[in-house]
Amino acid sequence: GAVVSQHPSWVICKSGTSVKIECRSLDFQATTMFWYRQFPKQSLMLMATSNEGSKATYEQGVEKDKFLINHASLTLSTLTVTSAHPEDSSFYICSAIQLMNTEAFFGQGTRLTVV
Amino acid sequence: AQSVSQHNHHVILSEAASLELGCNYSYGGTVNLFWYVQYPGQHLQLLLKYFSGDPLVKGIKGFEAEFIKSKFSFNLRKPSVQWSDTAEYFCAVNGYSTLTFGKGTMLLVSP
Repeated sequence: GAVVSQHPSWVICKSGTSVKIECRSLDFQATTMFWYRQFPKQSLMLMATSNEGSKATYEQGVEKDKFLINHASLTLSTLTVTSAHPEDSSFYICSAIQLMNTEAFFGQGTRLTVV
Repeated sequence: AQSVSQHNHHVILSEAASLELGCNYSYGGTVNLFWYVQYPGQHLQLLLKYFSGDPLVKGIKGFEAEFIKSKFSFNLRKPSVQWSDTAEYFCAVNGYSTLTFGKGTMLLVSP
């Protein structure tokens, strides 16, 4: 299957700083990328859907100004957690699809810990 | 908005037992349906998918799922589970432009 690479795999940051997470589709062009958040023992919660070259569509309850998403190219999307707080500590996962009716491929996830 | 409901949060089975994990969705239009599996310490990976055609789809590792449109269901089945099937299973629905997951079912298979 296609490969989606997420970087970094884990990051620890201080409260108040910003963290950028990258999601790359390595061998295909991703028309749409999804960003999810997974709390311990809970499901994946969709945060936002991003299409290349346009603004991301955020799910209800997700702060746009706090979780900045950029999808500048067909192979790269970034999620920036701005002014991070301990409650932002979580596991963030991206997925990418080439066309809307094909399967999604997932990155390995990023474990964010805010101290 | 679309939503996905998985009936069981935890399932514990002995090896060779049969498995059925429930998944119901709500969405007014045409959907594509998926089951994903996440083995301990690994990425999510696709188990099987339904787009159209035969409502009984077969996936990897002996899993299958049946799409019943009238019940808005896409239950996952396996006739005989193995210890290596221990994992978390997520049902997902792809409606208009969004991929939505259920809360997941943690399956523990005891040897």
